[in-house]
Amino acid sequence: EIVMTQSPATLSVSPGERATLSCRASQSISNNLAWYQQKPGRAPTLLIYGASIRATGIPARFSGSGSGTEFTLTISILLSEDFAVYFCQQYNDWPLTFGGGTKVEI
Amino acid sequence: EVQLVESGGGLVQTGGSLRLSCAASGFTFRTYSMNWVRQAPGKGLEWVSYIGSRSRTIYYADSVKGRFTISRDNAKNSLYLEMNSLRAEDTAVYYCARDSTYYCSRTSCYSDDWGQGTLVTVSS
Repeated sequence: EIVMTQSPATLSVSPGERATLSCRASQSISNNLAWYQQKPGRAPTLLIYGASIRATGIPARFSGSGSGTEFTLTISILLSEDFAVYFCQQYNDWPLTFGGGTKVEI
Repeated sequence: EVQLVESGGGLVQTGGSLRLSCAASGFTFRTYSMNWVRQAPGKGLEWVSYIGSRSRTIYYADSVKGRFTISRDNAKNSLYLEMNSLRAEDTAVYYCARDSTYYCSRTSCYSDDWGQGTLVTVSS
């Protein structure tokens, strides 16, 4: 099983600042990585797939990078609606696995 | 608009059974693979099961293998999860999630749409 590790667990930032979230895979997953955003009481929503491709309707302030085992999600200018939990997921192999999440808080 | 609506959750005793359903609309259900993903209270996401568009390929997480059964009825645009021998650690919100068909890996894909989830609580 591919283990996905996210860091930090919690990121405290102010609106207008930049946020950088990390995700590491226990073995190479090429670029088969997705990022999801989840707000309290809501289902996850897709942000990024293919490690760096924004999903439909996702603002340009969200960007993804990386390949192999190291990946990054960057939110260039945090808006109030961006405070949420972010999960990475590998879909390179079964079983599908998620990282533990990074909570972005004020 | 894609809609996925789960139902069937509730409170069940340890060792009991429950059947979850997911009603799909707004897309051609029979052409998409589907997943069940769960989230224990205050915890992260855990993939549970996958079913291909024609039910020919099915996978389970080790944690549910032998106890859960995924199925679908393409004529009814519905996905199901039959859960038996339920344990306290199965307590979670269960989401149905649609696999994308774009930019997937050789073996699997990410989920581009999710339902709102249904809560399953297993208690003695």
